[in-house]
Order: sequence, then structure tokens, then C-alpha cells
Amino acid sequence: DVKVTQSSRYLVKRTGEKVFLECVQDMDHENMFWYRQDPGLGLRLIYFSYDVKMKEKGDIPEGYSVSREKKERFSLILESASTNQTSMYLCASRAGSSYEQYFGPGTRLTVT
Amino acid sequence: EDQVTQSPEALRLQEGESSSLNCSYTVSGLRGLFWYRQDPGKGPEFLFTLYSAGEEKEKERLKATLTKKESFLHITAPKPEDSATYLCAVIDSWGKLQFGAGTQVVVTP
Repeated sequence: DVKVTQSSRYLVKRTGEKVFLECVQDMDHENMFWYRQDPGLGLRLIYFSYDVKMKEKGDIPEGYSVSREKKERFSLILESASTNQTSMYLCASRAGSSYEQYFGPGTRLTVT
Repeated sequence: EDQVTQSPEALRLQEGESSSLNCSYTVSGLRGLFWYRQDPGKGPEFLFTLYSAGEEKEKERLKATLTKKESFLHITAPKPEDSATYLCAVIDSWGKLQFGAGTQVVVTP
């Protein structure tokens, strides 16, 4: 079974803090993704990566950056957290030969 | 513009009362349609992939079907444990997954 894990289930940060969200997958997948999910807006793609050290902007990259130094690990960075970044953050991965994405359990981030 | 629309937004069913969820899409050259189940506070769980019109997939009480314009997720004789939000997604023109807003299903005993 594909396993995608995220570093925290719940996180509370203050405005202006730098926040790191980590995601690890154990299936040697080439592609990894970060989404945020908000009520009424559904899942929106923030960034994705199709290889180590490669990254592409998704639909809402502003205020975020990412890092992929190893194939199994994809980090999302909030440079200076703001209250409008309070959300559920979901990481996903997929193999290069498939479009099926597998999701982690999510991190509920609250910025106060 | 690629778009995915799910209906209804919410569905309340009695245990055993079968029903269907709809996912309509506009995307040029469909490369895949996906159904996910999401429980509150958790990540989406992959259910099915459909690739071409006429294709059907089944898993326990769930059956997904696909036409050229839409997909249906049929829930047969649902149980309370089928309560969840069901998400539909398609591969858009850029090769990215585009999600619908989901249908929240509540099954009461």
C-alpha cells in the first residue's frame, strides 16, 4: 500500500512565523504535490514537483515555497505566516506512469 | 475552461436507501476521472479511476460509471459507515488534477 505521511496533524502558529510542513512517501513516486483545502473552495494546488530539486507553481503559489532535496520528501514553507493561510494542507504523490494521486492525512494549520 | 461540478452538495439518506451522486466535467480530451472518499479531518482516500465512456468500476456498495460528459457514483443500500464527502477529479488540459467541490453524504440508521 502507498503510504504518505505528514509531519503534523495539527499546528498552531503566530502571524509572521516561518512554518515548515513536511511530507514523506514510501513508494518511490516521482511526483509530489501540495494542496490546501478550504470549505466551499475545494482542493487547490499550491506547488508540485516531478523530480528531486524540481518544482512547479500550482494555482495559488503566493506566500508559499517548496523544497525537494530527496525523492521521498517534499516540504512546504510558509515564509511569513498570515491568518489567511489558516487551512487544511494536504500532500499527495503519484508515480510517473500514472495519474492516480495518493494523499496524506493532512495538517490542520491555524495561524493566529 | 476546464471545470468539474458535483451535485448535489449534500445528501442525507436513510440506511438502505440507494442513491446516486453526479460529477459533470468540461475538459478537452479526458485522460482520467477519479473518485475519492474523504472522512472529516482526514486526507482523501482513492476509490476509482475511469478512463473511457462506458467504463464501470465497483467496490462493495459503490459503483462508478462514466459517460462523455459526466460520471455517477451509485451507492447501493448504504450503511452509516458510508457517510463521508465524495470528491470527483479529472485530469485537466495541463495534466493536473482538478477537483470538484464534493458531495457530503450522511447515512442515518
